[in-house]
Amino acid sequence: DAKTTQPTSMDCAEGRAANLPCNHSTISGNEYVYWYRQIHSQGPQYIIHGLKNNETNEMASLIITEDRKSSTLILPHATLRDTAVYYCIVRRYTGTASKLTFGTGTRLQVTL
Amino acid sequence: DVKVTQSSRYLVKRTGEKVFLECVQDMDHENMFWYRQDPGLGLRLIYFSYDVKMKEKGDIPEGYSVSREKKERFSLILESASTNQTSMYLCASSAGQWNTEAFFGQGTRLTVV
Repeated sequence: DAKTTQPTSMDCAEGRAANLPCNHSTISGNEYVYWYRQIHSQGPQYIIHGLKNNETNEMASLIITEDRKSSTLILPHATLRDTAVYYCIVRRYTGTASKLTFGTGTRLQVTL
Repeated sequence: DVKVTQSSRYLVKRTGEKVFLECVQDMDHENMFWYRQDPGLGLRLIYFSYDVKMKEKGDIPEGYSVSREKKERFSLILESASTNQTSMYLCASSAGQWNTEAFFGQGTRLTVV
């Protein structure tokens, strides 16, 4: 699987947009970019995923660069409940299955 | 509401014991995964299964085995538990298509003493 690189930690003021970057420079053409988050003591929660185009849902927006070598997850109005570890994952199909390989993620701290 | 259920939230076992961690999903998913999570190391994939009786090794399979006799159930087996297997274990499942989301259980915190 393509390796991803994320900053170890970030801070964001409540009500402001949180922009979480991810580098995946070795991504292949058929690999999707996924974002998950993990709030303390819970299992990871799916946020969003995309292939080429930018995506938006009720939780966040995903911006993927044209060369697909990096992406940014945007939480438009961060709240204290968005404090979590955010994982950027590149997922590929192996021919039999598609495994999800997590990195160490970005710890986002939302403050008052 | 979709659900992935892990049999125990907390478990304490002795060194050398055979340990079974059970995971059940109610979404008729083809894919199921077992991860362990340790501080500073993130989530690491142990094994995954893409169909009944089918499995593939993940990144850290040593010391573990798995069993998938029924589609809804995926078991992680520690043949002889060791203290370095003390960890949080997370199970996940996803549909067969590779561009779908995975759903996670709440995790089992295993302590081997």
